[in-house]
Amino acid sequence: QSALTQPASVSGSPGQSITISCTGTSSDIGAYNYVSWYQQHPGKAPKLMIYDVSNRPSGVSNRFSGFKSGNTASLTISGLQAEDEADYYCSSYTTSSTYVFGTGTKVTVL
Amino acid sequence: QVQLVQSGADVKRPGASVKVSCKASGYTFTNNGITWVRQAPGQGLEWMGWISTYSGTTHYAQTLQGRFTMTTDTSTTTAYMELRGLTYDDTGIYYCARGVSGWFDPWGQGTLVTVSS
Repeated sequence: QSALTQPASVSGSPGQSITISCTGTSSDIGAYNYVSWYQQHPGKAPKLMIYDVSNRPSGVSNRFSGFKSGNTASLTISGLQAEDEADYYCSSYTTSSTYVFGTGTKVTVL
Repeated sequence: QVQLVQSGADVKRPGASVKVSCKASGYTFTNNGITWVRQAPGQGLEWMGWISTYSGTTHYAQTLQGRFTMTTDTSTTTAYMELRGLTYDDTGIYYCARGVSGWFDPWGQGTLVTVSS
C-alpha cells in the first residue's frame, strides 16, 4: 500500500486560508469516507483534527474543515494563526482492511 | 479523561526484539481497537497494524507481517506490540492510538526505540 500523496509544504500569512490536498486511489480514499487528518507539532504526538472526511472532534477549532471528491481529500485551514504551524497528515482506510497515511505536509505561517 | 500511556524508551541491538506497552484508561477498553503507528527520525507516519481489544482480531501492514505482533490484556487494559529481527531502519518513535471506526484518537505519548550496536 503506497502512501497517500500530499504536498511537502504549504505556507500562508496570518489570517489567510490554505488548503492541503491528499491524493489516493479508488482502493483507499475513493472507496470509503474514512478519511481523517492529524496535526503534529515538533516533538509531540499527532492530534486528530478531522474524521470521516469532514467532521471535527470536540475542541477543534471550526477554522479547520475537510472535504473529499473522488480519490482526493483536502484540509482547509481558514484564518491562519501562528499556532497552526505544524505537520499535517491525512489517513484513509483501505480495501485491504488496513490504513494508510499521507506523506505529510509542513505548514508554515509567514 | 481518555488516556494512553506508553512504556519508556528502549535501546536494542540489531537482530533483537522490542516490546512496547500501552496502558489505556478513561474508557471501556473493549469498546475500541488499538492501532500502532511508527515514525522514523524526520520522517512521516507509518501505519503498522490494528487489534480488536474485544475479539483479538488483528490486521497487519504487509511490510511488517511475520515479525510484528500485537496483543492485549483486558484485565489490565494494556495493549502490547512486539517487533522482532530489529534493524537500524526500525529506529523511531512508536505510538499507540485508540482506533475508533476509521480514525485514531487519542494517541499515546510515543516510545523511542533506538537500534544501535
